Amino acid sequence: ETGVTQSPTHLIKTRGQQVTLRCSSQSGHNTVSWYQQALGQGPQFIFQYYREEENGRGNFPPRFSGLQFPNYSSELNVNALELDDSALYLCASSFKLAGAGDTGELFFGEGSRLTVL
Amino acid sequence: AQSVTQPDIHITVSEGASLELRCNYSYGATPYLFWYVQSPGQGLQLLLKYFSGDTLVQGIKGFEAEFKRSQSSFNLRKPSVHWSDAAEYFCAVMGAAGNKLTFGGGTRVLVKP
Repeated sequence: ETGVTQSPTHLIKTRGQQVTLRCSSQSGHNTVSWYQQALGQGPQFIFQYYREEENGRGNFPPRFSGLQFPNYSSELNVNALELDDSALYLCASSFKLAGAGDTGELFFGEGSRLTVL
Repeated sequence: AQSVTQPDIHITVSEGASLELRCNYSYGATPYLFWYVQSPGQGLQLLLKYFSGDTLVQGIKGFEAEFKRSQSSFNLRKPSVHWSDAAEYFCAVMGAAGNKLTFGGGTRVLVKP
């Protein structure tokens, strides 16, 4: 079991609504990444936050946004929800040295399952 | 652009039998390669990783994987599976920017008693 916690674990929204998902990173980690995992598919990279700034973004529209706080926890916000946003949203934390790439050792939380009706 | 293909969507194996999961990647330089496992209702757990050096990598839970550059493959193996190995397995590649993993579509493993 990792030290990455996500909330809420499950939630149901309707189209057009907005949602905020939260993630607490593992102790000692300074980087948080978010992934979307649709049913039956592999996770897809949404974005990464390092030192409270976005550090890379996948092929997701601007209505997907995020924040990282000084304690390295993070939020994922999705505006104007669409049916296709229904998925498991995974948060992963890791440690990145300044000026270096990620070690690749991402520690994942158990995810927030979002259903959009 | 980097990509990962896992050709087998489902694999059924008897308990005690050997297991091999296939992974092919596309990446222009030497990749960082990973295998993760996802059990129902749980997040992803890292089984093993390859960065450089010895092409045969040992991981947790008795798994190993072999990097073959000539075949652009990173197949996962286990000599003798246990019922607890039933799960979904994901191969992933990380590029030079070191800020994102690209995952394959996953292989679901079912273990028969």
